[in-house]
Amino acid sequence: QKEVEQDPGPLSVPEGAIVSLNCTYSNSAFQYFMWYRQYSRKGPELLMYTYSSGNKEDGRFTAQVDKSSKYISLFIRDSQPSDSATYLCAMSVYEENSGAGSYQLTFGKGTKLSVIP
Amino acid sequence: KAGVTQTPRYLIKTRGQQVTLSCSPISGHRSVSWYQQTPGQGLQFLFEYFSETQRNKGNFPGRFSGRQFSNSRSEMNVSTLELGDSALYLCASSSTGIANYGYTFGSGTRLTVV
Repeated sequence: QKEVEQDPGPLSVPEGAIVSLNCTYSNSAFQYFMWYRQYSRKGPELLMYTYSSGNKEDGRFTAQVDKSSKYISLFIRDSQPSDSATYLCAMSVYEENSGAGSYQLTFGKGTKLSVIP
Repeated sequence: KAGVTQTPRYLIKTRGQQVTLSCSPISGHRSVSWYQQTPGQGLQFLFEYFSETQRNKGNFPGRFSGRQFSNSRSEMNVSTLELGDSALYLCASSSTGIANYGYTFGSGTRLTVV
């Protein structure tokens, strides 16, 4: 079982729809939760990050974390064709290796979203 | 403010060869991480450097190595290339390496091994 599971889609919605993207995880040590957006031929860009359970809103985007269920979601309201991209969830935990350490990201495989005009 | 720059953007190599990829982080960022992205496995962590020291390493064979220079620029090297090494290699930088603040990724180097 992978540490982070994400439905790869593809997901196709009409413009203006509400989009729900989800990830589940198995490692209860994960502390920080992020959503990245990746356009074709580009690197991922950070959309949202959260630490605690609950909701965080930024414009049309809402990130939701439920640590008790090990489940995170990203909601996109009033979706636009420019939102068409692959959305990756990511989580981090402090990893130590031979005395040194840092926070490392574990990614879901990504959900490909298409918003149809 | 310049972003993370990766060179080259595309590479085609033959099995058995070696390759070196370069990453210039955002000015002032001291942490550089490398990831491999494939359709089957998604994004997988390779290693992270901070102030020229490797702080963490993912579960990849020793053919994958990296280094960081005093100006924070980083290189990764893959020796004895295999077909399965074909992937998008992404570099990400941050000021401290604390992932909760978010890494900034480059556009990647697309490596094709034939």
